Amino acid sequence: DTEVTQTPKHLVMGMTNKKSLKCEQHMGHRAMYWYKQKAKKPPELMFVYSYEKLSINESVPSRFSPECPNSSLLNLHLHALQPEDSALYLCASSHRDSSNQPQHFGDGTRLSIL
Amino acid sequence: TQLLEQSPQFLSIQEGENLTVYCNSSSVFSSLQWYRQEPGEGPVLLVTVVTGGEVKKLKRLTFQFGDARKDSSLHITAAQPGDTGLYLCAGEFYNTDKLIFGTGTRLQVFP
Repeated sequence: DTEVTQTPKHLVMGMTNKKSLKCEQHMGHRAMYWYKQKAKKPPELMFVYSYEKLSINESVPSRFSPECPNSSLLNLHLHALQPEDSALYLCASSHRDSSNQPQHFGDGTRLSIL
Repeated sequence: TQLLEQSPQFLSIQEGENLTVYCNSSSVFSSLQWYRQEPGEGPVLLVTVVTGGEVKKLKRLTFQFGDARKDSSLHITAAQPGDTGLYLCAGEFYNTDKLIFGTGTRLQVFP
């Protein structure tokens, strides 16, 4: 069992829908990440939050909107997505008290855009 | 531009064989991590190597970080069907929150 919990596990939505992906960890980690993973490809970094502040946005389209309400929660709000946005969305967390800290991943949300 | 290249891309072997996966870059990393990912799951950390030349062993898996901190290898001895999965190396740059994943090696071990 992973210590990073992502919900929902699967999501099917139309291009005009608004939905949110949720991620939760209770390991006291102060850095949280969103990745996008297409089939047979490695994860690609989207956003990084460090101490609840957005520290990295990898030029992600504005139809993806991250939010970090507190140190344990990370959301990804979705609006007007395109079919090419269908992918596995992974959340991860790590300590930020020093460098070289490994990231712990959730099992992801598999998103399908109709 | 892919900063971390893994080879081979695919590997299909019989149970009991040995194998080595390589992770190469022209960039210097502060650390390098190896993950294994199975279908329907997120990547699971296997090891983190930090010091140039470092060797770490995890049961039948041996990980090495290159002296120049630009490359790494994973050697599996006597592979088992349970080793099947996608192996990913990932490098962290100094003083950043960014983890860059390698291109991945998909391993299939047949009984």
